[in-house]
Amino acid sequence: EVQLVESGGGLVQPGGSLRLSCAASGFTFSSYEMNWVRQAPGKGLEWVSYISSSGSTIYYADSVKGRFTISRDNAKNSLYLQMNSLRAEDTAVYYCARLVHDSSGYYHYFDYWGQGTLVTVSS
Amino acid sequence: AIRMTQSPSSLSASTGDRVTITCRASQGISSYLAWYQQKPGKAPKLLIYAASTLQSGVPSRFSGSGSGTDFTLTISCLQSEDFATYYCQQYYSYPRALTFGGGTKVEIK
Repeated sequence: EVQLVESGGGLVQPGGSLRLSCAASGFTFSSYEMNWVRQAPGKGLEWVSYISSSGSTIYYADSVKGRFTISRDNAKNSLYLQMNSLRAEDTAVYYCARLVHDSSGYYHYFDYWGQGTLVTVSS
Repeated sequence: AIRMTQSPSSLSASTGDRVTITCRASQGISSYLAWYQQKPGKAPKLLIYAASTLQSGVPSRFSGSGSGTDFTLTISCLQSEDFATYYCQQYYSYPRALTFGGGTKVEIK
């Protein structure tokens, strides 16, 4: 059974740092592209970051570029999000999500999501 | 970045109703669109990908259509478990900026 379990959320002051983790199981983690998606309280979904299966290709949303760093450790089946210079607007539930493509190879989607971890940025 | 606009932002409907949600892209995205359902306190769940392909295990009362800039998600006969928020997401710009629509909350009338 595919499982994604996030951890590392909590309360942090503005300007502070936090590192989120996503532990993957039930599939060959090193073969899959992964993403972070967040959701502010009562708001919609916002894509945050992408990392390729090898970790060689990375992208960020403009809202977090230069402050957040995505990484992975395929030996540990884990995905990470290092968040620095945190702002009140970064307060959200952060989800890790597995990105797959269909049999044609053209169409992509997030097929599994973790349960999320809440990050609260407040003084 | 490609902007995705959903309408309406919320709607009230009764069990058994036919419900249609619209998603519009700021530029053509072919059929690179997925729909998700999210219930309170839960992670989103994939319903449809490639604009119209039903994910395995999703009831056939859900259907998707559209291509280019205009897309729809239809629930043919609303069930009690379908009251939730629905999001579209484009994958045209894969692997970057995989933007979501703002969501449509389907509430009980």
